[in-house]
Amino acid sequence: AQSVTQPDIHITVSEGASLELRCNYSYGATPYLFWYVQSPGQGLQLLLKYFSGDTLVQGIKGFEAEFKRSQSSFNLRKPSVHWSDAAEYFCAVGAREYGNKLVFGAGTILRVKS
Amino acid sequence: GAVVSQHPSWVICKSGTSVKIECRSLDFQATTMFWYRQFPKQSLMLMATSNEGSKATYEQGVEKDKFLINHASLTLSTLTVTSAHPEDSSFYICSARFLAGGLATQYFGPGTRLTVL
Repeated sequence: AQSVTQPDIHITVSEGASLELRCNYSYGATPYLFWYVQSPGQGLQLLLKYFSGDTLVQGIKGFEAEFKRSQSSFNLRKPSVHWSDAAEYFCAVGAREYGNKLVFGAGTILRVKS
Repeated sequence: GAVVSQHPSWVICKSGTSVKIECRSLDFQATTMFWYRQFPKQSLMLMATSNEGSKATYEQGVEKDKFLINHASLTLSTLTVTSAHPEDSSFYICSARFLAGGLATQYFGPGTRLTVL
């Protein structure tokens, strides 16, 4: 069965520090991978996506993610966190074979301390 | 580009009434839209896949007679919660599938907060 694991429920980082949010997946098809961010009471905003090709993808707001097939991972990174990055981050996996439906991780809440 | 809107953003209704939520893709056509439900401090749960011009496909455990979905045009899908009860109170989010080069990306609406009294 398809599954997505975000092992960290909460992460707290200092403003200006680097950030890495972990995502591991188990999927029976060639995965398409996404990171979304959600502020409280809001919908989801797409940060970045990976379909194929270069395994390091750049997204909006200075985020990047690296697809590592051997580790079944798609970790999200940012070199310097801003207070406005505080939100909940969701990793999601989809595939054409499954009707492009997304399977979401449980989410990671990012807190930024000044 | 790829903007999705939802209306209303919040609604309060009495138990037993029906509530309709609209999801629109504003700058692209979407033959497929998805409806999710999100409980507090939880991830998104897919309720159904809405297909333009055909019946929606519901996930296991979702009552299709309670959550009516209509995808009448390439830019609009509606979710009607019929005979709403307090346990239907939740945050409902839609997404629209954007296709480019055969590759699909879901863009999400801002969500609708439903409170049933």
